[in-house]
Amino acid sequence: DVKVTQSSRYLVKRTGEKVFLECVQDMDHENMFWYRQDPGLGLRLIYFSYDVKMKEKGDIPEGYSVSREKKERFSLILESASTNQTSMYLCGAIRRTEAFFGQGTRLTVV
Amino acid sequence: TQLLKQSPQFLSIQEGENLTVYCNSSSVFSSLQWYRQEPGEGPVLLVTVVTGGEVKKLKRLTFQFGDARKDSSLHITAAQPGDTGLYLCAGGRRGGSNYKLTFGKGTLLTVNP
Repeated sequence: DVKVTQSSRYLVKRTGEKVFLECVQDMDHENMFWYRQDPGLGLRLIYFSYDVKMKEKGDIPEGYSVSREKKERFSLILESASTNQTSMYLCGAIRRTEAFFGQGTRLTVV
Repeated sequence: TQLLKQSPQFLSIQEGENLTVYCNSSSVFSSLQWYRQEPGEGPVLLVTVVTGGEVKKLKRLTFQFGDARKDSSLHITAAQPGDTGLYLCAGGRRGGSNYKLTFGKGTLLTVNP
């Protein structure tokens, strides 16, 4: 199986801060993604990357940007954190047709 | 518009009972996956089905893909407290150079001892 590691399990940030969430996969997979998960709303795709320096907006990209400089690493950036970005953030990689997730980052913006 | 609808949304049962949860769509998918997510963790892949009518078994869990590849079901026999979690289905489609997954909102299962 693919191992995906997210840099933090829990984060607390202040409104207006720039926040970096890091995600690393241990296999040579092109496709990586970031979702956020909120009660009642399910998983919503923020950004998708299908290769180094290649990205595609998901359903809710506003307020976020991403960086993919190396194949194994996909970073999510909150340019100016706001309280409505408090959520569980899930990153992962796709191998053939299957998604492998990291353990999640619970971000609280105060 | 909810592309993949899961039902029921919540399910609370006693240990030893059987249950079935459903994943329905009006769209055709080339594959369908089921994941289980425990509180505070990321989803973990349980199974992938790709052929219409396919049935897969994983110990006490039975997964079925509909003949038209639009829906799926997960049946658990003799549920145990360790089965507690959020069950997510995801439909896959290839689009250009990448593969996109669409997730349902999940069924939250609680198995009481």
